[in-house]
Amino acid sequence: EVQLVESGGGLVQPGGSLRLSCAASGFTFSSYWMHWVRQAPGKGLVWVSRINTDGKTINYADSVKGRFTISRDNAKNTLYLQMNSLRVEDTAVYYCAGVPASWFDPWGQGTLVTVSS
Amino acid sequence: QSVLTQPASVSGSPGQSITISCTGTSSDIGGYNYVSWYQQHPGKAPKVMIYDVTNRPSGVSNRFSGSKSGNTASLTISGLQAEDEADYYCSSYTSSSTYVFGTGTKVTVL
Repeated sequence: EVQLVESGGGLVQPGGSLRLSCAASGFTFSSYWMHWVRQAPGKGLVWVSRINTDGKTINYADSVKGRFTISRDNAKNTLYLQMNSLRVEDTAVYYCAGVPASWFDPWGQGTLVTVSS
Repeated sequence: QSVLTQPASVSGSPGQSITISCTGTSSDIGGYNYVSWYQQHPGKAPKVMIYDVTNRPSGVSNRFSGSKSGNTASLTISGLQAEDEADYYCSSYTSSSTYVFGTGTKVTVL
C-alpha cells in the first residue's frame, strides 16, 4: 500500500522551531520529487517547498524562504521540513506529497502545526 | 507568488454538469501543460482528479474532465452525484520553478 505518514506537528510559540517528518512506504521514494503543501484552518492549499530525487535541487515559496529547510534521506525513505522563526501565520496542516511527474500523488494525512503564545 | 483564481462556489442538481474555472497567467497555466485538479472532502487529504490538463488517473470516474484555453483551465463534472460535493483546487507549475494552487471552489450538490 502506498503511504505517506507525517509526524512532528504540535504547538509552538512564535519564533520557535519545529521539524516535520514524512515517512514513505509502498513506492520508490527515491524516484519521486517530494513536496510540502500547507493548509491554514478553513483556508486553501498553499505550496511550500519541493526537493528533487537526490536532494540537490530545492525550491521554496517566498513566504518561507530563509526560515524553512527541506531535506530528504532516501536510505530511510523519509522527507523532512525544518521550520525556524515560526510565525502565527504558519499555523496550518502540513501535507507531504510525492510528485511522479507534474502532479501531487500520493499525499499524506497531514500534521497540524499551531504557532501561538 | 500569486494564486490561481477560482470561483468560491459552484452548485448543481444531481445529473447536471458543472464547470469550474481556474485563471492564472502566462507564467503558470498559460506557459505549461502542467495543470492538475484535486478533490478534497472535509478533514481529508486532497486527491488528484486530473493531471497534465486533460488526463485522468486510473480509478477516477470519467465524469471528470479537464481542458485549458490560454491562461484559464477548467474542470467539468458531468452527471453530478452527491459524492462529488467537496472542495476542488487547481494547481500549476510556474516559471519560477515553483507550484501554485487555486483559491479553491466549494461544489454543492443541490
